Amino acid sequence: DIQMTQSPSSLSASVGDRVTITCRASQDIRNDLGWYQQKPGKAPKRLIYAASSLQGGVPSRFSGSGSGTEFTLTISSLQPEDFATYYCLQHNNYPRTFGQGTKVEVK
Amino acid sequence: QVQLQQWGAGLLKPSETLSLTCAVYGGSFSDYYWTWIRQPPGKGLEWIGEITHSGSTNYNPSLESRVTISIDTSKKQFSLKVTSVTAADTAVYYCAGGSNWGQGTMVTVSS
Repeated sequence: DIQMTQSPSSLSASVGDRVTITCRASQDIRNDLGWYQQKPGKAPKRLIYAASSLQGGVPSRFSGSGSGTEFTLTISSLQPEDFATYYCLQHNNYPRTFGQGTKVEVK
Repeated sequence: QVQLQQWGAGLLKPSETLSLTCAVYGGSFSDYYWTWIRQPPGKGLEWIGEITHSGSTNYNPSLESRVTISIDTSKKQFSLKVTSVTAADTAVYYCAGGSNWGQGTMVTVSS
């Protein structure tokens, strides 16, 4: 299985902060990666696909970058509605695997 | 606009079979790999498996011996069965396709 190591596992930030979350894959997954946001009691919502493509309807403050084994999700200016848990998901190989999640909390 | 609606039994006893169904509304049924994902309480997401519109499946090896995913293209539905459930199968189960997710079903296994 491909291991997706996500960091940090949690972070505290303030509205307006720039936030960066990283996912490292245990082997090359090209750009076969998505980023998801999950709020309590809700299904995850895809923000980014193909590592850097913004899902329709997602604010442009979200961006993704990387390829191969190192990937980054950046929120350029954190908004109140962005406090949530974020996951990466690789779909290069079976079984598909998620990172363990990053909880973004209010500082 | 694709919407997914899922249903199934929410309370099971150990050794019973978990059965969930997901209906797809809108969009093309052949466009996506139809997927099941679960999330134990307070934990992360686990990919269970997927099926194509032609019935080809891929499963997580950790569950493969107990899992079956099937599809009914005439109804635009796909289903999940997990046999011999234990407390470790207690989770919210989601169906998904592309960027579209169902609302989730909480399944509790308890004697």
